[in-house]
Amino acid sequence: DAKTTQPNSMESNEEEPVHLPCNHSTISGTDYIHWYRQLPSQGPEYVIHGLTSNVNNRMASLAIAEDRKSSTLILHRATLRDAAVYYCILRFLILTGGGNKLTFGTGTQLKVEL
Amino acid sequence: DSGVTQTPKHLITATGQRVTLRCSPRSGDLSVYWYQQSLDQGLQFLIHYYNGEERAKGNILERFSAQQFPDLHSELNLSSLELGDSALYFCASSVLTGADTQYFGPGTRLTVL
Repeated sequence: DAKTTQPNSMESNEEEPVHLPCNHSTISGTDYIHWYRQLPSQGPEYVIHGLTSNVNNRMASLAIAEDRKSSTLILHRATLRDAAVYYCILRFLILTGGGNKLTFGTGTQLKVEL
Repeated sequence: DSGVTQTPKHLITATGQRVTLRCSPRSGDLSVYWYQQSLDQGLQFLIHYYNGEERAKGNILERFSAQQFPDLHSELNLSSLELGDSALYFCASSVLTGADTQYFGPGTRLTVL
C-alpha cells in the first residue's frame, strides 16, 4: 500500500478554517485519496474522497495537488465537534467482489479551542 | 448513527478463553470488514467478507476467525485469548467493494484479564 504522511497534531480555534495536509508522494494513478475521522470513543467516520479533481461535500472540501503527491482536507468552520483524529488513506479501485481494506496510519489529532 | 451495529459493547474475559463478537451491517451492504484498534498498533485491518465469502485478509492471527452468514451478519471469533488481545474491535460495512465508503460500527471493547 502506498504510504501517507500527516502531522501528528494540529490546533484550531472554533469558527476558523482548518487545513489538514497529507503527503502521498508514492501515489499511483489508480489510487483514490480518502479521508476518515475518528471522534473520541467512536468508530471511524467517512469524510470525503477524490481522485484528481477537488471535491466538496457537506462536511469538508478536498484539495488535490496537480501532481497528486499531496492533498489537503479543508474544514471551512471548525467546531468543537470536529475535534478528532483525521486519517488520510490511499485506496486503489478493485472490481466488485474483490478484496479491499483501509490502511490507517497514525493520523492527525485535531484540537479545536474556543 | 452509521447503521452498523455491534454486540456486545464491552466484554471482559480471562486469558485462554474464547469470545464471539457480532456485527450487523447496514441494510443492503454486502461487504463486512473487521478492524482491531489497540494503543500500540493503531487501527489494523483483520479480514473482509463479501456476500459470505472471504475476500481479503490482513494480519489476522490464526487464533482468530470470522464468517459472514447468509443474512449478511458477521461474527469474529477470538480464541485462546491473551492479554495483548485487549483492544477495540470495529466492524465496518459497505455496499460493494472497490473504493466505496466503509461505514463503521461503534465497536466492541475487549478486555482480557
